[in-house]
Amino acid sequence: NAGVTQTPKFRILKIGQSMTLQCTQDMNHNYMYWYRQDPGMGLKLIYYSVGAGITDKGEVPNGYNVSRSTTEDFPLRLELAAPSQTSVYFCASSPSLNYGYTFGSGTRLTVV
Amino acid sequence: DQQVKQNSPSLSVQEGRISILNCDYTNSMFDYFLWYKKYPAEGPTFLISISSIKDKNEDGRFTVFLNKSAKHLSLHIVPSQPGDSAVYFCAASARVDSSYKLIFGSGTRLLVRP
Repeated sequence: NAGVTQTPKFRILKIGQSMTLQCTQDMNHNYMYWYRQDPGMGLKLIYYSVGAGITDKGEVPNGYNVSRSTTEDFPLRLELAAPSQTSVYFCASSPSLNYGYTFGSGTRLTVV
Repeated sequence: DQQVKQNSPSLSVQEGRISILNCDYTNSMFDYFLWYKKYPAEGPTFLISISSIKDKNEDGRFTVFLNKSAKHLSLHIVPSQPGDSAVYFCAASARVDSSYKLIFGSGTRLLVRP
């Protein structure tokens, strides 16, 4: 049982480039989330999804887009990378509202 | 505006002693609280939670206390072990927000000295 899998683990982007952070879960969880963690800060919610075809903005959605075409996958898209998007990105899923999340191991992104 | 605050960025404790990690919140609508533990280069892992209808929840060496009037919760680890050395995040959510999004604190780095 792999849980939540994120790829890639590391990536360096140049300003203005685009990329997609992949997130897949094999637990049949309805709820999925994208967080970013900046140094010395807590996790900030970027986007979340309560089921396939349904997504909504979190606290810090600017500069990102998501889609949820299947229960398993919840990719995060950066269209025009900026240095402010340098961070560690975590994807998470949960089976219901009132339940602890399962997190992936993170993607460390550097924009130069 | 930080709704969930962990004012101590770090804590150092001797092995075998008690570790107490604190968390304060400002949103009175929060009704569910969780603690997560994070090792370097890994994602956070769920540790323990508490609903606002309780004031204490215990799981082995870990106990979470909730003081709603003070908008304060704490995580006690007894006895502390070197393997407990990690960053601990407090998180909270509000039922009125039907998506049940978690709001995280900034974390406390715990070091348990052998």
